[in-house]
Amino acid sequence: AQSVSQHNHHVILSEAASLELGCNYSYGGTVNLFWYVQYPGQHLQLLLKYFSGDPLVKGIKGFEAEFIKSKFSFNLRKPSVQWSDTAEYFCAVTSMNTGFQKLVFGTGTRLLVSP
Amino acid sequence: GAGVSQSPSNKVTEKGKDVELRCDPISGHTALYWYRQSLGQGLEFLIYFQGNSAPDKSGLPSDRFSAERTGGSVSTLTIQRTQQEDSAVYLCASPVRPLKGEAFFGQGTRLTVV
Repeated sequence: AQSVSQHNHHVILSEAASLELGCNYSYGGTVNLFWYVQYPGQHLQLLLKYFSGDPLVKGIKGFEAEFIKSKFSFNLRKPSVQWSDTAEYFCAVTSMNTGFQKLVFGTGTRLLVSP
Repeated sequence: GAGVSQSPSNKVTEKGKDVELRCDPISGHTALYWYRQSLGQGLEFLIYFQGNSAPDKSGLPSDRFSAERTGGSVSTLTIQRTQQEDSAVYLCASPVRPLKGEAFFGQGTRLTVV
């Protein structure tokens, strides 16, 4: 079954530290990849997405993610985090296998950035 | 409407009672997802509606869970004979482009079964 793995469940960083959150998926066919973010008390919102083309995608607030097909990975990065990046981050995938209609999420990573 | 609206925002119910959770998706969006968000479990897919096609119910955890979408817009998720393990935040999402999966989410309904 298609699945998404986020290995870091909790991450604590100081401001200005660099961030990398891992995401791996199990499906081997064509996929669309997403990172969503949920700030405290707010609803889920899209951070960035990959459909095709350049495997390095840039999103809002200085975030980027790199699709590495050979590693089935779509890791999220930010060179220098801010206190306001404290949130929960979810990786998500749709695949050709389900007509790109079933959005499957990972278990999420809670990021705490200390000032 | 401008966004996805869910009601109620909070629901406390006694074990064994039935509950109905409502989702008003973005006007004109033909697809709709329901997810369940539990602590440490991430977002668990429940059901997906796309236009007039048969819904993908593969994520519903038991036959106590059902959902319908009337008129291609408003959706209701019903949980019968609620159990304590049903306590979670139930999220509705309205895809921007159904075939790409990008979605706008509602604020969710926090269900507590006591």
